[in-house]
Amino acid sequence: QLQLQESGPGLVKPSETLSLTCTVSGDSITSSSYFWAWIRQPPGKGLECIGSIYSSGSTYYNPSLKSRITISVDTSKNQFSLKLTSVTAADTAVYYCASGPGWYAYWGQGTLLTVSS
Amino acid sequence: DIVMTQSPDSLAVSLGERATINCKSSQSVSYSSNNKNYLAWYQQKAGQPPKLLIYWASTRESGVPDRFSGSGSGTDFTLTISSLQAEDVAVYYCQQYYTPPYTFGQGTKLEIK
Repeated sequence: QLQLQESGPGLVKPSETLSLTCTVSGDSITSSSYFWAWIRQPPGKGLECIGSIYSSGSTYYNPSLKSRITISVDTSKNQFSLKLTSVTAADTAVYYCASGPGWYAYWGQGTLLTVSS
Repeated sequence: DIVMTQSPDSLAVSLGERATINCKSSQSVSYSSNNKNYLAWYQQKAGQPPKLLIYWASTRESGVPDRFSGSGSGTDFTLTISSLQAEDVAVYYCQQYYTPPYTFGQGTKLEIK
């Protein structure tokens, strides 16, 4: 059974770069033919796919965020990461990491990121 | 991007009654080559991450009660809860995984009448 856990700063200043990490346990991040995804949810709103990285290394980014996003995998630590540059208040949200073969069967608990000076 | 539109935005149903949530995609999310519909449903309770209920439009995830069922094909899909229980109060989302980015519907809030 896969388990995912997000970690991140909690508070980021406007214009700075956000870095979040998802630690995977229960299986190797390279052994599953899964998508490893970042999804966010602004307070009181719905779910937005930020992007994902497939086990092959291919990345898929939301076009509305593409210029600001990098998703990468660290196989030595069994983690995948999100970098989001030039953050604004509109990036305030709960950020989830999730995984699955297309549908997302596994989710982290989420981490709240607040963008504020 | 494929736009997913759910209806209604909110729904109040009496305990034991049927609840029906609809999801429409802006283009087909079905592959004729394998006859599969690339559509999933999730349940999100307050303060929790989403939980997968159904994938391939109608396949229940392990452990999901059989009162939850999914149907539809092409662009029109339905999630049905046959007999609403108190623990089913939640927001429900559909998601297409036909083409990245894998977009979600806006959510349907289900309450007890």
